[in-house]
Amino acid sequence: GENVEQHPSTLSVQEGDSAVIKCTYSDSASNYFPWYKQELGKGPQLIIDIRSNVGEKKDQRIAVTLNKTAKHFSLHITETQPEDSAVYFCAASLHSGGGADGLTFGKGTHLIIQP
Amino acid sequence: GAVVSQHPSRVICKSGTSVKIECRSLDFQATTMFWYRQFPKQSLMLMATSNEGSKATYEQGVEKDKFLINHASLTLSTLTVTSAHPEDSSFYICSARESRYGEGEKLFFGSGTQLSVL
Repeated sequence: GENVEQHPSTLSVQEGDSAVIKCTYSDSASNYFPWYKQELGKGPQLIIDIRSNVGEKKDQRIAVTLNKTAKHFSLHITETQPEDSAVYFCAASLHSGGGADGLTFGKGTHLIIQP
Repeated sequence: GAVVSQHPSRVICKSGTSVKIECRSLDFQATTMFWYRQFPKQSLMLMATSNEGSKATYEQGVEKDKFLINHASLTLSTLTVTSAHPEDSSFYICSARESRYGEGEKLFFGSGTQLSVL
């Protein structure tokens, strides 16, 4: 099955700086890569996703890049703010003809924004 | 994004009792929902896939008689933890598949249920 590796496990950056979180996946058939933000005691919130037919997607301060050949994808957050502090999970899945399968998650990155 | 409501958010029960957790898609229909389990400071682990009108599909190592899943309608899936024991204490999260968006399907998550078994 799919295996997703995520690095780093903890990332501390100064407010206003950029943060980058990287993930690799093992199954070359995977074609959907979402990123989730989880605050303490809450469920994950979808913040951005990318499908395998594109290499990059951006939404305001958040961007995701995908390298299918190398089987890795990254989350980029620019101009970080205190409210960006949370645990971020990458995930991968295969969209079969019947729709999205259950996601395989990375282990998460605890992002800490230092004021 | 689409809204998935999960209830209760927190439950404390005695060992040996059963607990039911509800997951509702509020503004869309979900033929498929997923149940995850999360231990402190760890990632989400898929427990089972809940399909409306049919039996759930369980991941390897998950006891189907322990974790009963019912998906009786297009907007509701329930997870019942039967004869709960302290080792069942965990954060349980559901997600629902939503295909409203033109670029394909997305998965949205409920707010989670913290189960504590005494």
